Amino acid sequence: EDKVVQSPLSLVVHEGDTVTLNCSYEVTNFRSLLWYKQEKKAPTFLFMLTSSGIEKKSGRLSSILDKKELSSILNITATQTGDSAIYLCITDKLIFGTGTRLQVFP
Amino acid sequence: SAVISQKPSRDICQRGTSLTIQCQVDSQVTMMFWYRQQPGQSLTLIATANQGSEATYESGFVIDKFPISRPNLTFSTLTVSNMSPEDSSIYLCSAADATNEKLFFGSGTQLSVL
Repeated sequence: EDKVVQSPLSLVVHEGDTVTLNCSYEVTNFRSLLWYKQEKKAPTFLFMLTSSGIEKKSGRLSSILDKKELSSILNITATQTGDSAIYLCITDKLIFGTGTRLQVFP
Repeated sequence: SAVISQKPSRDICQRGTSLTIQCQVDSQVTMMFWYRQQPGQSLTLIATANQGSEATYESGFVIDKFPISRPNLTFSTLTVSNMSPEDSSIYLCSAADATNEKLFFGSGTQLSVL
C-alpha cells in the first residue's frame, strides 16, 4: 500500500532557529514529490522534486530528494513567525503525508 | 499556473440538509480533485472529478453522500448530502496542471454542521 510519512508531527521553535522537516515515501512508480505550506485552508505550492540530489531553493527554504532513501527533506533557515504552518508533502499519485505542524514563537 | 475560485468560503448548516460547493478554474484542466480535511488531520482525497464521466471515489466515500458534477473542463461541484456534525470539515478542490504533476488548490470551504 502506498504511503507517505512525515516527521516530526509537530515542531515548536523560536525565531531564528533552523528546522528540518522529513518526508518518507513508499509509492509504486514514483515520479515526483511536492511540498506545500498550509496556513489557513488552501495549501500553497513550495517545491516539486523529481531528481535525486538536486537542491531546490526559494529564499530561506530549500528541499532535496533522495530516491535511494525514498525520502525528502525541507529546510527552513532563520525561521520567522510567518513560517508557522502545516507543511505537507504529496506524491504525484496524490498520496498525502500527515503533515508537520510548525510553530515559530518570537 | 491555474487560479481556482471556490465558494462558499464557509457555511454553517443544519443536520440533514445538503450543501453544494463550487470550484471554477480560470483555464481548462483535465483533472480536478475534491478533498476533506477534518480537524487535526491531513487532507484526504474524496474523489477525482472527470469531465464527461462519473467521478472516481476513494475508499470510504460514496456517490450518494458526496455527489460530484463536472459539466466542463473549468468547473466542478461537490455536494455534501444529508449532513451530520461529523461532516464538519474543510473541503478543498484542486486541479492538476498540464503535466498532471503540480496541483493548484481552491481557497477551501469551512463547513460546520450543527
